[in-house]
Order: sequence, then structure tokens, then C-alpha cells
Amino acid sequence: AQKVTQAQTEISVVEKEDVTLDCVYETRDTTYYLFWYKQPPSGELVFLIRRNSFDEQNEISGRYSWNFQKSTSSFNFTITASQVVDSAVYFCALSGNTGNQFYFGTGTSLTVIP
Amino acid sequence: AAGVIQSPRHLIKEKRETATLKCYPIPRHDTVYWYQQGPGQDPQFLISFYEKMQSDKGSIPDRFSAQQFSDYHSELNMSSLELGDSALYFCASSLENRGRGTEAFFGQGTRLTVV
Repeated sequence: AQKVTQAQTEISVVEKEDVTLDCVYETRDTTYYLFWYKQPPSGELVFLIRRNSFDEQNEISGRYSWNFQKSTSSFNFTITASQVVDSAVYFCALSGNTGNQFYFGTGTSLTVIP
Repeated sequence: AAGVIQSPRHLIKEKRETATLKCYPIPRHDTVYWYQQGPGQDPQFLISFYEKMQSDKGSIPDRFSAQQFSDYHSELNMSSLELGDSALYFCASSLENRGRGTEAFFGQGTRLTVV
């Protein structure tokens, strides 16, 4: 079974603070893929990053960074120096090595207060 | 760059009516997905197509059907609409997924309201 858990339902931070969004996953597949999507108030789902299960290198893209740890089945997302425009719901998702389907977590609603 | 196009963006229907949602994937993408997102919920997988054939089936009600056409666009047909069908319906497309974990790009969604 595939499952993604985002334990943080809502987070509020003050602008310029750093914030980490947690994602824990479950899968029996030996090869799998992890994703983060952003859903701003306008409603669209915006792809942020994809990570293969066999690539545990952390990644940094501007103010965004991702920490993938297979040992703890986690794929956490950190926003450094948060900005008001970062306010959105962030979804972590999992895709296995068969089929065509993405399994989403329940999302974390991030509010950045000016 | 071209994105996934969904139409209409908003739709209001009465109970027991039918609705058809359309999705035009990114050019050359061969896989289409449909997701339903209720208010405050995560997207729930409905169905996917690869090369015009149904690939995976999720929690799609029997009242709903979908297909992918020869030009790769897809339509989600919803009949006997219920109040609980009110949601944001997303279409997404990707290139050569089939377990390769290629990222899916989502359209802006169709907001269906059933009254």
C-alpha cells in the first residue's frame, strides 16, 4: 500500500522565518518517486520537485531545499527566509514503480504573516 | 510553454444533471490523470490513461466515465450528479510515466458546483 502522511495541518510563520514541512511515506515498492506540489489560493497545483528513491542527495533551489532520508521514510521541505507569496497549501506525493497514479498527502497549509 | 488546459473553469449544475469536463494535455504527453479535490481535502485519484487506454482506476464512481481520444485530449463524463460531487476536478498530464515516476503537470482545474 502507498501512503503519504503530512502531520502538520497548518503552520503560521512570520515573514523571513525558516519553515520545514514534514512528509513521511509508506511504500512496498523498491523503486518509487516523491514529489512536492504547491497549491496557492488561486487553486492550481504547481509542481516543485521530483526525487527518485535511489537518489538521496538533498537538493537546494533558491530558498527551497529538500531533505530525503530513506532510513526514516521522510522527504521534508524547507523554505528559507519565507515570504508572503509562499502562503499556500503544500502537498507531498508518492508514485510507485508500476502504474500511473500519484498518492497525495493531506497537505500542509502554510501562512506567512507579513 | 504550453500547459494543461481544462474547460470549463467553472460549472454549475443541478442535482441529477450530467456534466462533461474536458482536458487538453501538454503536447506530446501520453498520460492523462483525473483527480477530484473536495473543499479542504487532498486530491483523490479517479482514473488515468496511457496512450488512450485506461491505465489505473481509483475512487471513480460508477456514475462517472472517462476516455482519452485519438488527439490525446480526455473527457470526464459525470451523470446523475449529486451534491457531494461538488469539488475541484484536476486533470494532469505526464510523459512516459508507467512506473518511471515522471512528474505530472496539472491544469488549473474545473470547479464544479452541484446545486
